[in-house]
Amino acid sequence: DGGITQSPKYLFRKEGQNVTLSCEQNLNHDAMYWYRQDPGQGLRLIYYSQIVNDFQKGDIAEGYSVSREKKESFPLTVTSAQKNPTAFYLCASSIARLDNSPLHFGNGTRLTVT
Amino acid sequence: RKEVEQDPGPFNVPEGATVAFNCTYSNSASQSFFWYRQDCRKEPKLLMSVYSSGNEDGRFTAQLNRASQYISLLIRDSKLSDSATYLCVVPYNFNKFYFGSGTKLNVKP
Repeated sequence: DGGITQSPKYLFRKEGQNVTLSCEQNLNHDAMYWYRQDPGQGLRLIYYSQIVNDFQKGDIAEGYSVSREKKESFPLTVTSAQKNPTAFYLCASSIARLDNSPLHFGNGTRLTVT
Repeated sequence: RKEVEQDPGPFNVPEGATVAFNCTYSNSASQSFFWYRQDCRKEPKLLMSVYSSGNEDGRFTAQLNRASQYISLLIRDSKLSDSATYLCVVPYNFNKFYFGSGTKLNVKP
């Protein structure tokens, strides 16, 4: 079955440490996204990528970094510069260049930084 | 003004009731719209896509009003399992999607 896989499901880190969240898709989608969701709030865009080796900042990119070396993979690094990293992180993908293509989500990574 | 606005609720309804949510959007150029369902501590899952005036799938009906720039989601014969948060999503362009903050539905026995 095609889908998006995020790992790990839960992640615990100490303050000051960088941490990388994995996102892999086998849907052959061009576009991939990272969102952050805080309790009781909507999703906010961190970074997105339309094509391999290219990515753009979203609305809350500060303290995060990404890479897109392969079409299937879009890992997110939460750096020590991110002031409030504890959140639910969601990776998504879509068929780029089709305005009527919905987002498909992975099952998320819940990051707790203490 | 936010790009996408939803009433956060919660909407508390008995089983079997009909309930409707509205979602207003600001980008008049948007051509497609999506309703997602999100259960507590889970990822959003696509419920319905709306590309023209509306869409119907079983107990769920989505309608689009371009003149007033809102989409609605109607749920008939509510089930306990319909309890969730419903997210309205509007593509801004090919690459960006705006999310509403969600409307929480509680269906009571």
